[in-house]
Amino acid sequence: DSGVTQTPKHLITATGQRVTLRCSPRSGDLSVYWYQQSLDQGLQFLIQYYNGEERAKGNILERFSAQQFPDLHSELNLSSLELGDSALYFCASSKRTSGRTDTQYFGPGTRLTVL
Amino acid sequence: GQNIDQPTEMTATEGAIVQINCTYQTSGFNGLFWYQQHAGEAPTFLSYNVLDGLEEKGRFSSFLSRSKGYSYLLLKELQMKDSASYLCAVLDTGRRALTFGSGTRLQVQP
Repeated sequence: DSGVTQTPKHLITATGQRVTLRCSPRSGDLSVYWYQQSLDQGLQFLIQYYNGEERAKGNILERFSAQQFPDLHSELNLSSLELGDSALYFCASSKRTSGRTDTQYFGPGTRLTVL
Repeated sequence: GQNIDQPTEMTATEGAIVQINCTYQTSGFNGLFWYQQHAGEAPTFLSYNVLDGLEEKGRFSSFLSRSKGYSYLLLKELQMKDSASYLCAVLDTGRRALTFGSGTRLQVQP
């Protein structure tokens, strides 16, 4: 158990809908990262927050957005869902925004299925 | 940009040693990580290298050569539970986020 929690574990929804995925980082970690893992793409970095502020952006679609709240939990919002958005979404956390020894620890993931 | 290459699949025998290679190209290097991932589960941290050389951690060791853009993960005394995907990931100085290779699926056979 990494100490990172994610809810829900599974989510099934229809195309065009909007969903929110939630992540609580490990105690003491200020950075939260979101990754998408689909069968044909591997783990892709989406976005990073540090202490409430966006710090880095990866291959995140405009239909997707995220935020980090004062209690450091984070939410990833996915809207106008398409079949291709079906994937495992992982949240990871680390102590700092960057650094040579800043290991990221991953949560159990949310499996999103878009029908 | 970054480019990370790993073999797609490997097979090894229980009790043996296996080496999983990773080559990378990056504009700014700030460390290389290895993660283990069982199917449908979260990646779990195995090792981290930022300086050249070998880091040993029990049955697992990881090696880095920055000049060659090369790393390997060495797994000794293989166990059936080591059957998993092994992900090589590079942290660059610019993006602050990990870029992952596609992973190497290791099958340990009796």
